[in-house]
Amino acid sequence: DSGVTQTPKHLITATGQRVTLRCSPRSGDLSVYWYQQSLDQGLQFLIQYYNGEERAKGNILERFSAQQFPDLHSELNLSSLELGDSALYFCASSASGGGNTEAFFGQGTRLTVV
Amino acid sequence: AQKVTQAQTEISVVEKEDVTLDCVYETRDTTYYLFWYKQPPSGELVFLIRRNSFDEQNEISGRYSWNFQKSTSSFNFTITASQVVDSAVYFCALIKTSGTYKYIFGTGTRLKVLA
Repeated sequence: DSGVTQTPKHLITATGQRVTLRCSPRSGDLSVYWYQQSLDQGLQFLIQYYNGEERAKGNILERFSAQQFPDLHSELNLSSLELGDSALYFCASSASGGGNTEAFFGQGTRLTVV
Repeated sequence: AQKVTQAQTEISVVEKEDVTLDCVYETRDTTYYLFWYKQPPSGELVFLIRRNSFDEQNEISGRYSWNFQKSTSSFNFTITASQVVDSAVYFCALIKTSGTYKYIFGTGTRLKVLA
């Protein structure tokens, strides 16, 4: 158990809908990362937050947004969903914002858009 | 630009064989970190090792060992006496120590260990 909790584990929704994925980082970790893993794209970095502020942005679509709350949990909002958004979404946390501490990953949320 | 290449898409070995997973990286930074993660069939990503760019010492942890060579920009991972439980997808990753702190992952190598 990595200590990172993601909910829900599975999500099935229709095209055009909006969903929210939730992540609780390990106790004491200030940094949260979101990744998308699809069969054809591998692990793609979406966005990073550090202590409530956006730290880095990757290949995140405009239809997607995220935030980190004062209690350090994070949410990833996906809207106007398309079939191609079906993927495994991982959240990871680390103590710092850089690579000097490893990131621990949650079990992922498998999103299926039908 | 930063890039991590895992040229081996899939490897199959018979139990008890040794296997090496290759990882080649590109970066202009002099300071960076390299990682290996394991993704078993259950789906989660499990941290295996972190290595900073100043530490080229090889590391051994049980049946796992890592060979970091800056001269060839490689960070290879060897499993000795493989076991069926080692079957998973293994990812190599790179992160800078300054600027944008995003992990760059390779495409992964699927290891199948056959009984």
